[in-house]
Parts: sequence; C-alpha cells; structure tokens
Amino acid sequence: DVKVTQSSRYLVKRTGEKVFLECVQDMDHENMFWYRQDPGLGLRLIYFSYDVKMKEKGDIPEGYSVSREKKERFSLILESASTNQTSMYLCASSRQGLAYGYTFGSGTRLTVV
Amino acid sequence: AQSVTQLGSHVSVSEGALVLLRCNYSSSVPPYLFWYVQYPNQGLQLLLKYTTGATLVKGINGFEAEFKKSETSFHLTKPSAHMSDAAEYFCAVIQGGSEKLVFGKGTKLTV
Repeated sequence: DVKVTQSSRYLVKRTGEKVFLECVQDMDHENMFWYRQDPGLGLRLIYFSYDVKMKEKGDIPEGYSVSREKKERFSLILESASTNQTSMYLCASSRQGLAYGYTFGSGTRLTVV
Repeated sequence: AQSVTQLGSHVSVSEGALVLLRCNYSSSVPPYLFWYVQYPNQGLQLLLKYTTGATLVKGINGFEAEFKKSETSFHLTKPSAHMSDAAEYFCAVIQGGSEKLVFGKGTKLTV
C-alpha cells in the first residue's frame, strides 16, 4: 500500500514562528499536494507539485510556501505563523494521470497561539 | 471551472437503513469523479471512483455510486447502514486541464 506520512499529528506554535510541515510518500508518485481543512469549508488547495523543484499555487497560497527538493518529500512552510492558520493540514500524493485518485496522509492539526 | 455541491452537510440514518449522500458536479469536460471518506482524526480514504465505462461503480465497505450525466450527479449509496459508517464523506471532481481535485464541502454521516 502507498503510504503518505506526515511528520506530526499535533503541533502547537506561537504567532510569528516559522513552521515546517513535512510530508513523505513511499511509492514514487509524481504529484504531491497540500490542503487545509476547516469546518464548513471542506478542503482547500494550498500548493501543488508535479515534479521535483516544481510547484504551483492553489486556491489559498497566501502566507505559505513549499519546497520539493526530492521526489518523495514535500514540505509546507508557514513563513510567519498567524492564528488564522490554525487548521488541519492534509498532504496527498498521486501518480500522474487523470484516473488516479489521491492517497492522503493522516493530517497535522496545527494550533497557532 | 469545475465545482462540486454536496446537498446536506449532515445526514442522520438509523442502523440498517439506506444511506444516500448527494453530489452534483459541474464540469465542462467529461468528468472523473471520486468519493472519499474521513474517519475522526484521520486523513481521507478513497471509497470509489468513476473514470470511464460502467456508470455504476462499486467501492469498499459496500458503498456504490452511479454516474448520471443527464443529471450531473454522482450520488453515493449503501443499502444498509452500519455504525462503523459514521464519518465525513467528500465528493470530488478532477479540475479540467489539470490533475487537481476539487472537493465538495463534505457530508457528515451519523448512524
């Protein structure tokens, strides 16, 4: 089975801190994604990467950046954490091609205080 | 742009009753459609998908969905609900010209 591993299940950070959320997949998938999930808003795409060192903005990229130096790892960076970034963050990966669904990690629940 | 509407943010059924979760999509191209399930404090798990071919798609845990082009719908059903089906369910469509999924806002199922 494909595994997508997010480094932390729960994280508490202070306002203004730089925060790194790490995601690793073990099945050589080309595509990787970062979503945030908030009650009543569903999943919103932050960033997307379809290859190493390639990235594309999603619907809500403001306040975030990403890094993909290796195919298996996709990092989400909160440059200066704010309380409105308190959320559940979900990483996903997929093979290239429209017929493949995503495989999701278990999520990181981030609280910014 | 592609979009997904899930009717009903909360659905409650009795154990043994029919489960029906509604999903309507808009797409300017032939759609690829997905249903995902999320159990509490977990990530999303793929239930089933429609790409091409047979319009009735069977998934895991006894769920199935039917693609109806004329109604632009992809409703999820299960004949008999079990307590373990209590979760949040998300419908999604591939965004045209990309490999990005557009998700609905989710339906929380209580059994």
